Amino acid sequence: QSALTQPASVSGSPGQSITISCTGTSNDVGDYDFVSWYQEQPGKAPKLIIYDVSRRPSGVSNRFSGSKSGNTASLTISGLQAEDEADYYCSSFTGSATYVFGTGTQVTVL
Amino acid sequence: QVQVKESGPGLVKPSETLSLTCVVSGFSISSDYYWAWIRQPPGKGLEWIGTMYHSGSTYYNTPLKSRATISVDTSKNQFSLLLTSVTAADTAVYYCARRGLYGDDSSGWYFDLWGRGTLVTVSS
Repeated sequence: QSALTQPASVSGSPGQSITISCTGTSNDVGDYDFVSWYQEQPGKAPKLIIYDVSRRPSGVSNRFSGSKSGNTASLTISGLQAEDEADYYCSSFTGSATYVFGTGTQVTVL
Repeated sequence: QVQVKESGPGLVKPSETLSLTCVVSGFSISSDYYWAWIRQPPGKGLEWIGTMYHSGSTYYNTPLKSRATISVDTSKNQFSLLLTSVTAADTAVYYCARRGLYGDDSSGWYFDLWGRGTLVTVSS
């Protein structure tokens, strides 16, 4: 199972919106509405920010939103803030209780 | 406070067995959740290793299936990872995590609680 493809880096100015793509195949992203997104910051435990494509866990800012079209899922961060600077990873269920993660995207707030 | 925390040796010799433990606090490991190990090699992305239920059911990533074993000790509220015949390619930060719970508005196919990770280096 190959890793899902994400852009290596995305940047934006405070207040702007950015979108991170996550491209898989018809065997993972395209076949299941079970895509999740994680925020990873240095020294902290990774944090779940989106699950089941577009659902937000309690306590996660509504500036984070998710969507999916075909084999590509997307994470949008609206009203970009300095605290959003982090690495972001997508993940997809791939059947038979297995998972695959994305290659990761570094978000920089200019 | 519900949390999970990894522990284990930071250095393992090539060809030996990596052994890590994840202690679950503020929550019973025997509840309806599944528990997982995930790793991240330096400068690379996340890789799912495997998932287990307290009853003993386990699921592994195919490339690691022959070398990985996840087990549970309900009396200590912890679970463990053994990875045999390690090489430098197994050098990574290892995370333990809790899989989400299936419900009316949740598939459960995600990880909602993570530890901070522990770095394991494979070197002689």
